[in-house]
Amino acid sequence: AQSVTQLGSHVSVSEGALVLLRCNYSSSVPPYLFWYVQYPNQGLQLLLKYTSAATLVKGINGFEAEFKKSETSFHLTKPSAHMSDAAEYFCAVSEWDDKIIFGKGTRLHILP
Amino acid sequence: EAQVTQNPRYLITVTGKKLTVTCSQNMNHEYMSWYRQDPGLGLRQIYYSMNVEVTDKGDVPEGYKVSRKEKRNFPLILESPSPNQTSLYFCASSLGTGVAEQYFGPGTRLTVT
Repeated sequence: AQSVTQLGSHVSVSEGALVLLRCNYSSSVPPYLFWYVQYPNQGLQLLLKYTSAATLVKGINGFEAEFKKSETSFHLTKPSAHMSDAAEYFCAVSEWDDKIIFGKGTRLHILP
Repeated sequence: EAQVTQNPRYLITVTGKKLTVTCSQNMNHEYMSWYRQDPGLGLRQIYYSMNVEVTDKGDVPEGYKVSRKEKRNFPLILESPSPNQTSLYFCASSLGTGVAEQYFGPGTRLTVT
């Protein structure tokens, strides 16, 4: 069965600094991988997803993630953090025709 | 506008008083699900439905019921709420499983005293 682990329940970065949120997955077959973002008092919305077409996936708001099979990782990055990026981020994994499994989330804090 | 709506957004109730949280989507999605979100535990799936009249248990179904009589609606029923069901609840819909994007409602914050 698939699973996902997010390292760090809270991450703080300074405005303008690199954002790196870590996600490792476990899957017995080639997975689909997702990053969702949850802004305060809102539901989750899709940032980006990996579907095996390309290992580097670009998403909304300048975020991107790289699929590394050898490391079973799908880390989320953004070159320069903005105050509006403060939110909770969820990594998720699914397999073909199976339900999606969410990680426990990482809350990103942006320091002025 | 494509959306998932939930009602109510906030609810405070007492132990044992039956309640229903409604969920509706206007995207003709076949797959719908309910999650609860608790600090440190992330999102856990309660129930899901692959289509009308087809529902199945997720990871934490105890104390909850659902029904899917129409494609667009997927209400969550708590027959006898208890304090451990105090949580933030999300309804989601998608075209299917696997690669399909999940569309989430705005959430319902439930407090059971």
